Amino acid sequence: SSELTQDPTVSVALGQTVRITCQGDSLRSYYASWYQQKPGQAPVLVIYGENIRPSGIPDRFSGSSSGNTASLTITGAQAEDEADYYCNSRDSNDPHVLFGGGTKVTVL
Amino acid sequence: QVQLQESGPGLVKPSETLSLTCAVSDYSISRGYYWGWIRQPPGKGLEWIGSINHSGRTYYSPSLKSRVTISVDTSNNQLSLRLSSVTAADTAIYYCASTTVTTILHYFDYWGQGTLVTVSS
Repeated sequence: SSELTQDPTVSVALGQTVRITCQGDSLRSYYASWYQQKPGQAPVLVIYGENIRPSGIPDRFSGSSSGNTASLTITGAQAEDEADYYCNSRDSNDPHVLFGGGTKVTVL
Repeated sequence: QVQLQESGPGLVKPSETLSLTCAVSDYSISRGYYWGWIRQPPGKGLEWIGSINHSGRTYYSPSLKSRVTISVDTSNNQLSLRLSSVTAADTAIYYCASTTVTTILHYFDYWGQGTLVTVSS
């Protein structure tokens, strides 16, 4: 089956922009969704579809996609954005579901 | 918004069956929607276990399919997870989540708080 690959760690200076990527063959056919998970908490959906933010998610979070790569961008990162971020999509071997390995974002 | 709450034994012996329930509130399962189970071993990433719709159609992870059963109980507005023949590798936080499934998307919009299940004798 397919897989989704994420960089394990990324750091960003406070107030700067960071892009988190997710690569996989399934992303050529299906949209990625993105989740934020803080220590000891359940994941929270932050982006789904083409670039849709659920209610309550700040507009500094945005999503994009090109070819086999989906990206989550945090524009003007805040201290509270320090967390693990996971992508997911449908599998090319439908109808299964994939998760990326996660990216730990550190805000400096 | 949908509220979800997982419950079940926190300790399961090796080779036995893990059984969890997810109570759904502020939304009637029978109205529709999909529902999913996801797990996370301590210190590791998320793993999809399976998803089910209100009429009982299921999708299971290929790696767990032989051991997993997910069901819905519309009368009690809850869903259940059973995982048989567990080993230490099944130790994880287990989450239930409401799930949106379309032709190009499969995502989890509301999550329960999760419940830690440890497999140990």
